[in-house]
Amino acid sequence: DTGVSQDPRHKITKRGQNVTFRCDPISEHNRLYWYRQTLGQGPEFLTYFQNEAQLEKSRLLSDRFSAERPKGSFSTLEIQRTEQGDSAMYLCASTGGGSYEQYFGPGTRLTVT
Amino acid sequence: GENVEQHPSTLSVQEGDSAVIKCTYSDSASNYFPWYKQELGKRPQLIIDIRSNVGEKKDQRIAVTLNKTAKHFSLHITETQPEDSAVYFCAASDSWGKLQFGAGTQVVVTP
Repeated sequence: DTGVSQDPRHKITKRGQNVTFRCDPISEHNRLYWYRQTLGQGPEFLTYFQNEAQLEKSRLLSDRFSAERPKGSFSTLEIQRTEQGDSAMYLCASTGGGSYEQYFGPGTRLTVT
Repeated sequence: GENVEQHPSTLSVQEGDSAVIKCTYSDSASNYFPWYKQELGKRPQLIIDIRSNVGEKKDQRIAVTLNKTAKHFSLHITETQPEDSAVYFCAASDSWGKLQFGAGTQVVVTP
């Protein structure tokens, strides 16, 4: 499968715990984006990378959120001290080669109890 | 920042009829306008997109139109089929690719 992949697909955690998600973009895509989607809403931009550089972070991304893309390939999104309001689908998308088309992964559904 | 509004929030059509979804955007720097289809529990899938230097684009039964002056763009689906039932999202972005999505339109095609 050469599409965008995300792991895990589902995560249930207790409030206050830390969680980490992984995204593997399409090979050779240099731009990688993280979005968050809650039920009944469109995806909301969180942050994006061009290669290993994080170029922008949304105001939605509190200090509890951190993202990395250390080698310009896969990316991780970590949420510290999770809150119930963090429950959502976390989507990753990638693009490259000068294209504007973003291809989404299947998402990681986070449930904070 | 960019703000995208999408209407209607729900759309029910008879199979074979046409469906139209409209979006407006606020940032004149936006130059890329994709449309995504999302089925329940699935990832958003790109179905068609348009760049700001083009007024209309068509791909089989779907078409998108863009009016830069009025800052609005629309999705047209002709000859709707039950498998077109899904949530459709419009989005807008500038050259950096950060997508701002509309709130979505639930399309229901009844046989």
